[in-house]
Amino acid sequence: GESVGLHLPTLSVQEGDNSIINCAYSNSASDYFIWYKQESGKGPQFIIDIRSNMDKRQGQRVTVLLNKTVKHLSLQIAATQPGDSAVYFCAENIGPGGSQGNLIFGKGTKLSVKP
Amino acid sequence: NAGVTQTPKFQVLKTGQSMTLQCAQDMNHEYMSWYRQDPGMGLRLIHYSVGAGITDQGEVPNGYNVSRSTTEDFPLRLLSAAPSQTSVYFCASSYSIGGRGTDTQYFGPGTRLTVL
Repeated sequence: GESVGLHLPTLSVQEGDNSIINCAYSNSASDYFIWYKQESGKGPQFIIDIRSNMDKRQGQRVTVLLNKTVKHLSLQIAATQPGDSAVYFCAENIGPGGSQGNLIFGKGTKLSVKP
Repeated sequence: NAGVTQTPKFQVLKTGQSMTLQCAQDMNHEYMSWYRQDPGMGLRLIHYSVGAGITDQGEVPNGYNVSRSTTEDFPLRLLSAAPSQTSVYFCASSYSIGGRGTDTQYFGPGTRLTVL
């Protein structure tokens, strides 16, 4: 989920288990959503995206679910591996009608994978 | 392709000093942007550009200037550094605004700036 204050929420999972990272977005007009992965000392890296006309999209080992009714986005990682340890950000794009068409990022969730 | 490159990786400034953070991309992306990342705050947009000669303000533009004279380069200038500008700065680029559709934003490795 989203962080409060200076501390990121942390999700700790066992290697091989599935991970679910949640994100609440702010604007009901947002029409495009992205999940990013950021490893320590590196820039964010694209994982998967989804448009508002979809409620589910699958990639390799990852699935994004979108619930527009409650403005909720989730990232599911199957068979989590130690290399998945990172901070995960959701981002929403409000579209050309507002916010200069740019991304608004959530505060991130830290995923820690135990071997 | 080198992707998005940023220099320097680390920088320490004194209050009132000026400096320029460099960003370059070799993917012929029209759209480039600068973000700052602070603990617990996620990434916040500073300035962005939709093409050479065009720049606009993001969420937190105060204290920063940008220019876009070429497609490849998008430098960020701090005219008079303040401790509040201590942060990690990321440059990003994409084919389209905000990485819409399948045009994702590619991020550089970041510049860690400390202002004393």
